[in-house]
Amino acid sequence: AQSVAQPEDQVNVAEGNPLTVKCTYSVSGNPYLFWYVQYPNRGLQFLLKYITGDNLVKGSYGFEAEFNKSQTSFHLKKPSALVSDSALYFCAVRGAAGNKLTFGGGTRVLVKP
Amino acid sequence: KAGVTQTPRYLIKTRGQQVTLSCSPISGHRSVSWYQQTPGQGLQFLFEYFSETQRNKGNFPGRFSGRQFSNSRSEMNVSTLELGDSALYLCASSFALAGGSETQYFGPGTRLLVL
Repeated sequence: AQSVAQPEDQVNVAEGNPLTVKCTYSVSGNPYLFWYVQYPNRGLQFLLKYITGDNLVKGSYGFEAEFNKSQTSFHLKKPSALVSDSALYFCAVRGAAGNKLTFGGGTRVLVKP
Repeated sequence: KAGVTQTPRYLIKTRGQQVTLSCSPISGHRSVSWYQQTPGQGLQFLFEYFSETQRNKGNFPGRFSGRQFSNSRSEMNVSTLELGDSALYLCASSFALAGGSETQYFGPGTRLLVL
């Protein structure tokens, strides 16, 4: 069975400071990892994904994520957070042979001016 | 290119009724997946359709069903509604069967409230 853990329910950061949202996963075989963001009363917006290759993946809106196989982690990062980055962030995993996307519980990010 | 659209956006029903939700995928996408989002259970996979066939199914009772039409549009139906079915129902589409590296793109969701 595959699973995703987002250990922090909420992350608070001041505008302009670096933002990190943590994610660890468990899956058989090579993982495919995704980050999505959800704004209030909206669906999920795709940010980035890791398939293979470089461990540092760059995505939309200045976000990037670092894949670490030994630690089974895929943390989302942004060098300088904006107030508009305040939202709910979801990490998701899918195994190479699986078709189901499994999500973490989500991390609420609050960026204060 | 238009994104995934879902109708209706909001719905209020009473216990015991049934409901049908609709999803139109991104043009050219053939796979449609459905997810339920609740504060308690988070995001849970319901089922996936590809070329009018259900390919995968999550751990939900038989009251939850769906179908896909030849134009890739999909509907999901919930019969005999229960209070616990109150949720945001999200539809996601992808070009091919949603596996491996394929990215799923989500619609805005239908918020269902069961009274």
